[in-house]
Amino acid sequence: QKEVEQDPGPLSVPEGAIVSLNCTYSNSAFQYFMWYRQYSRKGPELLMYTYSSGNKEDGRFTAQVDKSSKYISLFIRDSQPSDSATYLCAMSGYSSASKIIFGSGTRLSIRP
Amino acid sequence: AAGVIQSPRHLIKEKRETATLKCYPIPRHDTVYWYQQGPGQDPQFLISFYEKMQSDKGSIPDRFSAQQFSDYHSELNMSSLELGDSALYFCASRRPGTTPGEQYFGPGTRLTVT
Repeated sequence: QKEVEQDPGPLSVPEGAIVSLNCTYSNSAFQYFMWYRQYSRKGPELLMYTYSSGNKEDGRFTAQVDKSSKYISLFIRDSQPSDSATYLCAMSGYSSASKIIFGSGTRLSIRP
Repeated sequence: AAGVIQSPRHLIKEKRETATLKCYPIPRHDTVYWYQQGPGQDPQFLISFYEKMQSDKGSIPDRFSAQQFSDYHSELNMSSLELGDSALYFCASRRPGTTPGEQYFGPGTRLTVT
């Protein structure tokens, strides 16, 4: 079993819809929780990160972490065709030397 | 804003050959990470360097080695290439005082082994 599980999709929604992306994890040592966006043939781009449990909002994006359930979510409001990409959840420990463990990524398509 | 630079962007090698990938981190970033991403896969951590010292090691084959130089650029050396080494190789960098997840990725080097 992988440390981080993510539904690979693909997920297709109409423009303007609210998108919910989720990951579960098994390692209690994870303290930082990130969402990366990756366009085809490009490097991952950091969207948001949160420390421990809670919510964080940035524009149309909201990240939620529930450490008790080992479950994280990313919500995208008013989705746009330009949001079409693969979204990777990722996690790391507290140490500055900690590596990132990625989920397998969810491919999202926003239909105009 | 300056980004992570990787070279070459594309590389074609034959089996058993050697390849060298280069990474130039964002200025003032002192930590460099290398990842391998196979087709349809998530990035897999290979190795990282902090202040020119190896800081962590992941699923990096013994055929691969890497180092970080005094100017903070890093090179990933891959020998005895195998068909399974064909992948996208990403370098990421992070500046001092930031969280482990605040890594900035380069555009990647696409390695094809024939």
